[in-house]
Amino acid sequence: AQSVTQLDSQVPVFEEAPVELRCNYSSSVSVYLFWYVQYPNQGLQLLLKYLSGSTLVKGINGFEAEFNKSQTSFHLRKPSVHISDTAEYFCAVSVYSSASKIIFGSGTRLSIRP
Amino acid sequence: KAGVTQTPRYLIKTRGQQVTLSCSPISGHRSVSWYQQTPGQGLQFLFEYFSETQRNKGNFPGRFSGRQFSNSRSEMNVSTLELGDSALYLCASSLGLQGHSYNEQFFGPGTRLTVL
Repeated sequence: AQSVTQLDSQVPVFEEAPVELRCNYSSSVSVYLFWYVQYPNQGLQLLLKYLSGSTLVKGINGFEAEFNKSQTSFHLRKPSVHISDTAEYFCAVSVYSSASKIIFGSGTRLSIRP
Repeated sequence: KAGVTQTPRYLIKTRGQQVTLSCSPISGHRSVSWYQQTPGQGLQFLFEYFSETQRNKGNFPGRFSGRQFSNSRSEMNVSTLELGDSALYLCASSLGLQGHSYNEQFFGPGTRLTVL
């Protein structure tokens, strides 16, 4: 079975500061890795994904994430955040054979202070 | 291309009633997956339908059921509602092709169900 752990439930950060949202996963088989964002009263939007290849993946809105197989981590980073990045962020995995079934972490609420 | 649409967006029901939620996928997508989002349990996979057949199932009781029509539209039904069924129900659509190929899932805005 697969599981995803997001180490921080809330991350407060000042505007224009860098941020890192941490994610660890557990799986006995190879997985796809994702970060989704959810703005208030909206559905989920895919920020970025790791399928294979280069371990550094770039996504929308200036976000990037690095896949570390030995540490089973997939941390999300942004060098300079904006007020508009205030949202909840979900790390997620799915296995190759059942890619439509996504296992989500518990989410990290990112709050940006002016 | 129109995105995934879900109707209704908000719903209030009382305990013991049943409810049906609808999801219209992106044109050409044949897979529809449903998720439940609650503050306590987070985002949990309910089931996936592909070509009118349930292909994957999560760990939910039999009160939660679904179906998919020939035009790929999907409905989810919850019978004998309980207070704990209050949640945001999200659906997602994708091409649904299996094997070692990734098909991105696109999420709808969700239906917020409140059970009183």
